[in-house]
Amino acid sequence: GQQVMQIPQYQHVQEGEDFTTYCNSSTTLSNIQWYKQRPGGHPVFLIQLVKSGEVKKQKRLTFQFGEAKKNSSLHITATQTTDVGTYFCAGKAYLVNTGFQKLVFGTGTRLLVSP
Amino acid sequence: DTEVTQTPKHLVMGMTNKKSLKCEQHMGHRAMYWYKQKAKKPPELMFVYSYEKLSINESVPSRFSPECPNSSLLNLHLHALQPEDSALYLCASSQEVREREPQHFGDGTRLSIL
Repeated sequence: GQQVMQIPQYQHVQEGEDFTTYCNSSTTLSNIQWYKQRPGGHPVFLIQLVKSGEVKKQKRLTFQFGEAKKNSSLHITATQTTDVGTYFCAGKAYLVNTGFQKLVFGTGTRLLVSP
Repeated sequence: DTEVTQTPKHLVMGMTNKKSLKCEQHMGHRAMYWYKQKAKKPPELMFVYSYEKLSINESVPSRFSPECPNSSLLNLHLHALQPEDSALYLCASSQEVREREPQHFGDGTRLSIL
């Protein structure tokens, strides 16, 4: 089945440093979504990328979708303590027998920011 | 604040108990989902309901029984669970089960099986 891997698994940065998480899928994705889950919280939708090579920005966050639509990245500039949490990418996988799609989450990158 | 409400927030039950998890949304979404999340792991899909009909069952053991009484409510009935079923159970909803729909998650029910 489809696998979505993220690296690194964990990163600890000082406040003000930059951070990047990389997402790689075993299959081509029609689109990719990013979610953030704070410690003890639930996943919260951040953004969706659809087009090959697409780049989107949300304040200090920059999201990219690879040209082959098999990888994506999230870059945070000048991290803040509020950025702490686990960042998941998620891609859609077709279920052959049903014709439906399901969202497959990446393995996640846990970010810790020290003040 | 989340727009998907889950109750209870915490649940401790024995292996012989029967309990139910509840999920409610009033965003008019027609797709609802149950996920299971173990510590430090991503959410794993269990069930998908589309227009109140079960569309996807990810080979979940029969001790988990989903129910969608109406378009706003989703239940997960639990019976004879095992200790390895202890996890965070997340409910989510989206406008429809389509490619580009973001999912809105509830706070989850943290379940412990004794």
